[in-house]
Amino acid sequence: QSALTQPASVSGSPGQSITISCTGTSSDVGGYNYVSWYQQHPGKAPKLMIYDVSKRPSGVSNRFSGSKSGNTASLTISGLQAEDEADYYCCSYAGSSTFYVFGTGTKVTVL
Amino acid sequence: QVQLVESGGGVVQPGGSLRLSCAASGFTFSSYGMHWVRQAPGKGLEWVAFIRYDGSNKYYADSVKGRFTISRDNSKNTLYLQMNSLRAEDTAVYYCAKKAVNAFDIWGQGTMVTVSS
Repeated sequence: QSALTQPASVSGSPGQSITISCTGTSSDVGGYNYVSWYQQHPGKAPKLMIYDVSKRPSGVSNRFSGSKSGNTASLTISGLQAEDEADYYCCSYAGSSTFYVFGTGTKVTVL
Repeated sequence: QVQLVESGGGVVQPGGSLRLSCAASGFTFSSYGMHWVRQAPGKGLEWVAFIRYDGSNKYYADSVKGRFTISRDNSKNTLYLQMNSLRAEDTAVYYCAKKAVNAFDIWGQGTMVTVSS
């Protein structure tokens, strides 16, 4: 099972909106509404930001939103802030044999 | 507060074994499935293994199948990962993570495993 494809880097100025894509196949992203997104600051553990494509856990800012179309999921960060600078990973359920597959990761830079 | 604390990492020679532990607190450990996820230095996340809340079913990534064994002791609120026949490519930070529907909602701080001669 190959990793889901994400852009290596995305950047934006404070206050702007950015979108990170996550492309898989019909066996993972396209086959289930079980896409999640994780934020990881350097040297820290990942943090759940979005689950089930578009749901936000309690405590996560509503500046973070998720969506999916076909085999591609997206994470949008609106009102970009300095603290949003981190690596972001998507993840999808991929069935009972592969179970879970992560994306390649995207480094978000706040200019 | 809800917390996961991994331990047991270290340096091991190729072909060697290591057992990781993950101590859970702040939630009813016996009610939740648990995962191991790893991250090689400078690389992305890789799902490794999952165990159901009662230990009845276990699932593994192809890359570790037959070499790693996930287990749990609900009386001790502890998750384990027994790693045998270790290879250089198993070098990574290993995280335990709590299952939340179809995501990983709580993560430990990770424990580093280095496979090197």
